[in-house]
Amino acid sequence: AQSVAQPEDQVNVAEGNPLTVKCTYSVSGNPYLFWYVQYPNRGLQFLLKYITGDNLVKGSYGFEAEFNKSQTSFHLKKPSALVSDSALYFCAVRRDSGYSTLTFGKGTMLLVSP
Amino acid sequence: NAGVTQTPKFQVLKTGQSMTLQCAQDMNHNSMYWYRQDPGMGLRLIYYSASEGTTDKGEVPNGYNVSRLNKREFSLRLESAAPSQTSVYFCAIEWGTFSSYNSPLHFGNGTRLTVT
Repeated sequence: AQSVAQPEDQVNVAEGNPLTVKCTYSVSGNPYLFWYVQYPNRGLQFLLKYITGDNLVKGSYGFEAEFNKSQTSFHLKKPSALVSDSALYFCAVRRDSGYSTLTFGKGTMLLVSP
Repeated sequence: NAGVTQTPKFQVLKTGQSMTLQCAQDMNHNSMYWYRQDPGMGLRLIYYSASEGTTDKGEVPNGYNVSRLNKREFSLRLESAAPSQTSVYFCAIEWGTFSSYNSPLHFGNGTRLTVT
């Protein structure tokens, strides 16, 4: 079985400060990892993914994520937060071979204050 | 969200009523998914269809049925709605083939269902 843990229900950060949204995963074999963002009353939007290779992945809107195999983590980061980054963020995992669907974490609400 | 259309946007049902949620894509992708989103529980997979003519159960299939009508359309049916099925339902498509695994999902804007 595969699973994702997002240990923080909510992250608060001031505009201009760096932000980190945490994610750890469990999967048999190697992972494919994804981050999605959800704005109110909308579907999820893809931000970035890790497949293989460079452990630092860059995505949309200035976000990046760092893959750490030994810690089974895939934390989402941004050097300077914007108020407009306030949204619900989901981490997701699937294994890289064989039959597998995408498993999501429970989500982390990011609130960026002016 | 471009490419995935869900109808209706909102629905209120009484316990025991039935309804079908519709999902259509205009991008000719193989894999389609139905998820439900509940507060504090993230997204949970109900059913999916890896290709036209095939459907499989996900994590929470009880109380639901699906039909992959053709490559473009994937419907979710509640035969006898229960209050526990109050949720927001999302349809998603996967770029590329099911065997890609690294393709992101693209989501519709959801159907907000309330069962009283």
